[in-house]
Amino acid sequence: QVQLQQSGAELAKPGSSVKISCKASGYTFTSYDISWIKQTTGQGLEYIGYINTGSGGTYYNEKFKGKATLTVDKSSSTAFMQLSSLTPEDTAVYYCAGGRRFAYWGQGTLVTVSS
Amino acid sequence: DIVMTQGALPNPVPSGESASITCRSSKSLVYKDGKTYLNWFLQRPGQSPQLLTYWTSTRASGVSERFSGSGSGTYFTLKISRVRAEDAGVYYCQQVREYPYTFGAGTKLELK
Repeated sequence: QVQLQQSGAELAKPGSSVKISCKASGYTFTSYDISWIKQTTGQGLEYIGYINTGSGGTYYNEKFKGKATLTVDKSSSTAFMQLSSLTPEDTAVYYCAGGRRFAYWGQGTLVTVSS
Repeated sequence: DIVMTQGALPNPVPSGESASITCRSSKSLVYKDGKTYLNWFLQRPGQSPQLLTYWTSTRASGVSERFSGSGSGTYFTLKISRVRAEDAGVYYCQQVREYPYTFGAGTKLELK
């Protein structure tokens, strides 16, 4: 069955960066784009962007340009999202999701930004 | 960006009753291929969102027939028939008509 396994929780200091992973299994990795979504109590669900797992092409929500960088490693069937110049407003649960219909989701990664 | 506005439910909903959740979009979600790109998700406490329906009314694989999506253009409804304890959580609509994709704020379903 299709599974997306995300990396564990991160505690980061303001100004630093974190890199979250999303490892796919149970299907051909390049069959589905991987999207990334941010969830906070205040802002709800926000779409960050997606990466084409075959070509590496990306789309970023304007709001997250310069904040998020999406990459893939096809050899390990893993997608990554790097978040840079972290501020407390980046504290959230981040999800990866597979496919244009968002049919498959990872379990979420909590990123906490605090000094 | 397309704004998605969800209605509230008269919580708590008695088990076995029906519940309908509304969702409005600030722009038509009909694409040039004729499909309407509206998804519904359920997020149970402590879990990731789960896709319920796509293209407004097509149920995702494994989703109960008690969930039915309807609507067109800018107005949509998710109906949950014979509500059960496992249906509790927050329901989100999402437009995938154009980038950036956007979600509604969520509608909480509590059971009596």
